[in-house]
Amino acid sequence: AQRVTQPEKLLSVFKGAPVELKCNYSYSGSPELFWYVQYSRQRLQLLLRHISRESIKGFTADLNKGETSFHLKKPFAQEEDSAMYYCALSEGQAGTALIFGKGTTLSVSS
Amino acid sequence: KAGVTQTPRYLIKTRGQQVTLSCSPISGHRSVSWYQQTPGQGLQFLFEYFSETQRNKGNFPGRFSGRQFSNSRSEMNVSTLELGDSALYLCASSSSRPSSYEQYFGPGTRLTVT
Repeated sequence: AQRVTQPEKLLSVFKGAPVELKCNYSYSGSPELFWYVQYSRQRLQLLLRHISRESIKGFTADLNKGETSFHLKKPFAQEEDSAMYYCALSEGQAGTALIFGKGTTLSVSS
Repeated sequence: KAGVTQTPRYLIKTRGQQVTLSCSPISGHRSVSWYQQTPGQGLQFLFEYFSETQRNKGNFPGRFSGRQFSNSRSEMNVSTLELGDSALYLCASSSSRPSSYEQYFGPGTRLTVT
C-alpha cells in the first residue's frame, strides 16, 4: 500500500543550523512527491514538488528512488521557518489524491 | 484571486445527525478534493471531483459522500454522524491534470460531534 512516513514529530534547531526533515515513501509506481507547509494560523500550502527541482525559501528536496526518500533540506534555518511540514505523495495518473505523512513540526529558536 | 473558501468554519452536531459542508474553489479551478484531518490519523483523502464527476475516492465508508456543481462548487455530506467523525475537513482546488500541479487548500471546517 502507498504510504508516506515522516519519522520525526518534532525537530528543534537553532537559527543558522542546517535542517533536514525526513520523508520516506512506499509506492509501486512512479510517484509525484511534494512538501506542503502550514505556518501558524495559515492554510496548508505547497512548498515544493520534486519535478520542478527548484529551491523555495532556501529549501530543496531530492527524490532518491533507490532509498525511496524525499528529504527536505535547508542549509541555514531561520526563525520564520518554524511551521508544520508535510510530505505528500500523489498517485499520479490514477487521480489527484495526495497521501500525506503525519507531519513534522519544525521549531527554530534564536 | 480569491482563495478557496469553506463554510461553515465551525460546526457542532450530535451523533446520528447528518451534516453538509461547502467548498468554493478558486475561480477557474475545476478539481476539488476533500481531506479529513485528525490528530490520530493525520490528513486522509476523502474524494475528488472534476467537472461534476467523482474521479477518485479514498477509503471511507459510504456515509461520506460528495457532489460538485456546474460552477465547480462542491459539497460533502456525512450521514449518521459518529463521534469519530470529529475532525477538520479540508477542501483543496486545482486547475487541471496531470497530477503534478498545486492544490490550494481552504481554511477548513471544524466539525465536532457530541
